Amino acid sequence: EAGVAQSPRYKIIEKRQSVAFWCNPISGHATLYWYQQILGQGPKLLIQFQNNGVVDDSQLPKDRFSAERLKGVDSTLKIQPAKLEDSAVYLCASSLGWASDGTGELFFGEGSRLTVL
Amino acid sequence: GNSVTQMEGPVTLSEEAFLTINCTYTATGYPSLFWYVQYPGEGLQLLLKATKADDKGSNKGFEATYRKETTSFHLEKGSVQVSDSAVYFCALRTSGTYKYIFGTGTRLKVLA
Repeated sequence: EAGVAQSPRYKIIEKRQSVAFWCNPISGHATLYWYQQILGQGPKLLIQFQNNGVVDDSQLPKDRFSAERLKGVDSTLKIQPAKLEDSAVYLCASSLGWASDGTGELFFGEGSRLTVL
Repeated sequence: GNSVTQMEGPVTLSEEAFLTINCTYTATGYPSLFWYVQYPGEGLQLLLKATKADDKGSNKGFEATYRKETTSFHLEKGSVQVSDSAVYFCALRTSGTYKYIFGTGTRLKVLA
């Protein structure tokens, strides 16, 4: 089966510019996650969707970050305006979700690496 | 709150050495526990998991046992190989909301 798809793989922008990342999860996966992974650190959850509803966005900096998951399938994460400290890899992951998740496995995309200059 | 603490790296071992990477957690309810691995240039992938107390997860020669009394999930391998060089992340999934929380990662380097 196809894995989690993310784009772009790499993006370089100046501070105060905007950027958007796209994610297409594995077909049939109800739960979608966006993580931020700063170099040398573990993934930090930004937002969790169950279908097209938000389950947890408590660590999303809402003054500059936004995310949506239209129709409960693919998702977009936007940063506007970007700051230097936003330089990180943005990981999208998906899982079957609450209703039928027997294995508990989280499937990750390859990530989108953002550099803010 | 929920959190995961794992030993800092890097860990450098010779081939065929014994590996232990410590992981402890804090969680409410009954979390599931995971080890994910990130090989150089690749994305994170599941290594093993345990869903309840005293369960042992195992894969590729790695093992970890869910110890509720010590809130630990230490990763072990009896004989590491150069190909095991990677970053290892301990993680928990909360019961109820299925929120995954990751540790900071431990880099393992195995020398031939």
